[in-house]
Amino acid sequence: GDSVTQMEGPVTLSEEAFLTINCTYTATGYPSLFWYVQYPGEGLQLLLKATKADDKGSNKGFEATYRKETTSFHLEKGSVQVSDSAVYFCALSDSGGSEKLVFGKGMKLTVNP
Amino acid sequence: DTGVSQNPRHKITKRGQNVTFRCDPISEHNRLYWYRQTLGQGPEFLTYFQNEAQLEKSRLLSDRFSAERPKGSFSTLEIQRTEQGDSAMYLCASSLRGGDYGYTFGSGTRLTVV
Repeated sequence: GDSVTQMEGPVTLSEEAFLTINCTYTATGYPSLFWYVQYPGEGLQLLLKATKADDKGSNKGFEATYRKETTSFHLEKGSVQVSDSAVYFCALSDSGGSEKLVFGKGMKLTVNP
Repeated sequence: DTGVSQNPRHKITKRGQNVTFRCDPISEHNRLYWYRQTLGQGPEFLTYFQNEAQLEKSRLLSDRFSAERPKGSFSTLEIQRTEQGDSAMYLCASSLRGGDYGYTFGSGTRLTVV
């Protein structure tokens, strides 16, 4: 079945550092791809998404590009802030006609001042 | 829009007891999903409703688990004869346009079976 592999953490960065979180996927069809973020004590929030190859999703300074040739959807931010400390999940919509999302294991990011 | 609401936030129960969780989705969302998340893992799909119809069930949803959405609004997830392995965060999400467009998640119910 479809699956997502994402970079394992935890990762600690200093404020204003560059962030990359790697995500690769395996799918038989053409899924939509997502990044969700979970701030401490809160539910998962949709951060950004891309629905087809070469689409770029962006939100709150974060970006990710749907790369079909490398089956990747890496998350990047040029300058992280303390408020970006959270757990980040890469996910895809099932390409077999199901409504479900398939999630990676998540990566915990801590940003220090 | 008050978001997706889940109750209770926390539940501690003894092994063998039954528990029930409630989810109130965003009012105009006709799709509702339940997921389970254990420590250090991403959420895993359990089941999906469109209006009151349960259209998908994961193999993770053993016969001790049952979910309902009787009037196409709120949903309940019941676990019978709880086991320690059922300890997890149970997440509810809702959507208007389906999985391809993303969901809105609730804050979850954390179940601890002792």
